[in-house]
Amino acid sequence: AQKITQTQPGMFVQEKEAVTLDCTYDTSDPSYGLFWYKQPSSGEMIFLIYQGSYDQQNATEGRYSLNFQKARKSANLVISASQLGDSAMYFCAMREGTGFQKLVFGTGTRLLVSP
Amino acid sequence: EAGVAQSPRYKIIEKRQSVAFWCNPISGHATLYWYQQILGQGPKLLIQFQNNGVVDDSQLPKDRFSAERLKGVDSTLKIQPAKLEDSAVYLCASLSGRPMNTEAFFGQGTRLTVV
Repeated sequence: AQKITQTQPGMFVQEKEAVTLDCTYDTSDPSYGLFWYKQPSSGEMIFLIYQGSYDQQNATEGRYSLNFQKARKSANLVISASQLGDSAMYFCAMREGTGFQKLVFGTGTRLLVSP
Repeated sequence: EAGVAQSPRYKIIEKRQSVAFWCNPISGHATLYWYQQILGQGPKLLIQFQNNGVVDDSQLPKDRFSAERLKGVDSTLKIQPAKLEDSAVYLCASLSGRPMNTEAFFGQGTRLTVV
């Protein structure tokens, strides 16, 4: 069963606008962590933001924030004030707390920021 | 702190040949992941090591893929014999420990082309 679902293959946004990238997840483990990574065309995976299942507040890191809705099992990434350099693939990932903490990824969303 | 090192960066082989990839994780990181990322898709976990033991290899095609992590440090991933569908980027990532909010660090990847 797919544990991480990203339903938007591609998103377009104009520079300086905000954009939301969707992510839903599936787990029965009460302890888990959700991660967002950025992958530019150069290929490296860049960690952006983390949200823990027990965190009371939504995570924020600079222009990145995570809209965490635990009951709906969604962890959407919000990028504010988009920049041309934000054009990249974005992956949502989850690590479950029990066992050996397998890290699984979604299929990704390609974001294109236009001037 | 040095990052995750992978080599080679690029490799082109003919189908039915064998190939090996090498990964040197961040010093002290107990968890090591190997992922296969086919163009346009999300990373697919092939195998996870905890120190020098395999904790998950459920998606590793064991008839042709093998991996080892001797002494709990460096790791090699081998494909023998390669098929056309093995063309992908192979990513290695390492993780320091159990706290859920620690992110995995990725290497630059090895881009394999099977012709």
